[in-house]
Order: sequence, then C-alpha cells, then structure tokens
Amino acid sequence: ELKVEQNPLFLSMQEGKNYTIYCNYSTTSDRLYWYRQDPGKSLESLFVLLSNGAVKQEGRLMASLDTKARLSTLHITAAVHDLSATYFCAVGYTNAGKSTFGDGTTLTVKP
Amino acid sequence: DVKVTQSSRYLVKRTGEKVFLECVQDMDHENMFWYRQDPGLGLRLIYFSYDVKMKEKGDIPEGYSVSREKKERFSLILESASTNQTSMYLCASSLFGGWGISDFGEGSWLTVV
Repeated sequence: ELKVEQNPLFLSMQEGKNYTIYCNYSTTSDRLYWYRQDPGKSLESLFVLLSNGAVKQEGRLMASLDTKARLSTLHITAAVHDLSATYFCAVGYTNAGKSTFGDGTTLTVKP
Repeated sequence: DVKVTQSSRYLVKRTGEKVFLECVQDMDHENMFWYRQDPGLGLRLIYFSYDVKMKEKGDIPEGYSVSREKKERFSLILESASTNQTSMYLCASSLFGGWGISDFGEGSWLTVV
C-alpha cells in the first residue's frame, strides 16, 4: 500500500523563525508535489519536484527531494503570518493513474 | 486564467435528493478526479477518469457515481444524498494521472439536510 506521511501535522511558530515540514513516502515515485490550502479554499500547487536532488524555491519557501531516502522537505525561512495555511505533499506514480496525498501540515505563524 | 471550474460553489440539498456536481477543465487534460475533504480526514479520492467514458473507483466510491461524456467535463452524482455526504468536494485534473495533480477547482461546499 502506498503511504505518504507528513510531520508534523500541526506546527505553531513565531514570526521570523525557521522550520521544516517533512514528507516521507513508501515507494519510489515519479514526482512529488507540494500544495498550499488556505481555510475554506481549494488547494494551490506550489512546487513539483521531478528528480533526486531537485530544489525549488519561491519566497520564503524552499522544497527539496531526496529520492533515495524517499523524503521531501518544505523549509520555511523567517516565517511571516501570511504563510499560515495547511500544506500538503502528494506523490505521483506513473502506473498508478493517481497520486497519493499526505494528511497535511497546518501551520500557524504567530506575531 | 480559468483552468478547472466547479460551477456550483455552495449547495444545500435535502436527504434523498439527486445531486449533480459539475466540473469543467480547459487544459485538454486526460485525467480528472473527484475528492472530498472533511476536517481531520484529509483528501479522499472518490472517482477518477483517465479518458472519456472511462472511470475508476477511488478510495470511497460508495454512494457516488460519475460521468465523463466529454473530455473537458467530469460530473459527480449523488444518487440519493445523505447527511454523511455533507462535505467539500474538490475536482482536479492532470495531463497524466500518475504524474500528480497540477490544478484543482475552487471546491463545492455541499450541505445535506
């Protein structure tokens, strides 16, 4: 069974601090997505990572992929309140016809 | 820049009613998906389709059916709505199914009373 585990599931942090969200998956993947979801809204695609060692950055968010460890990280640098949201990772498998989502990490950034 | 459109954003239906949720994508994607999202349960896949008139059951297909008569349109049908189907429903599409989802619709909030 394909499994995608995110941790932590809940994260409360102070503005200006750094933190990392982890996404572990159980089977070799073809690609990995990170999404953001604001309360009451749909999911928005942030990053897609295609190969081992891939790194993508936008603003204060940086995502990386280690396919050998089956691990992706979403690093938050100098958090600001606007980053408060739920972040999901999802893993795609070409032969599966569908992707598998983690349970999401709810991030709250406090002043 | 519309990509995936869910025409009904907020619906209130009575128990036993037949409910149609419509989704249209304008990116010529092969694959379309219906998820439901409930607090504490994450995203759960109901059905997906990899081609016109083709469908596959997801993780929670019971109580739902789907229709894909045209490539751009994927409909979710609740034959007889029940209160436990109160949820947010998300439509999504991707060029290839196993490649992950690039685009979600805005969501449809369904309340069954």
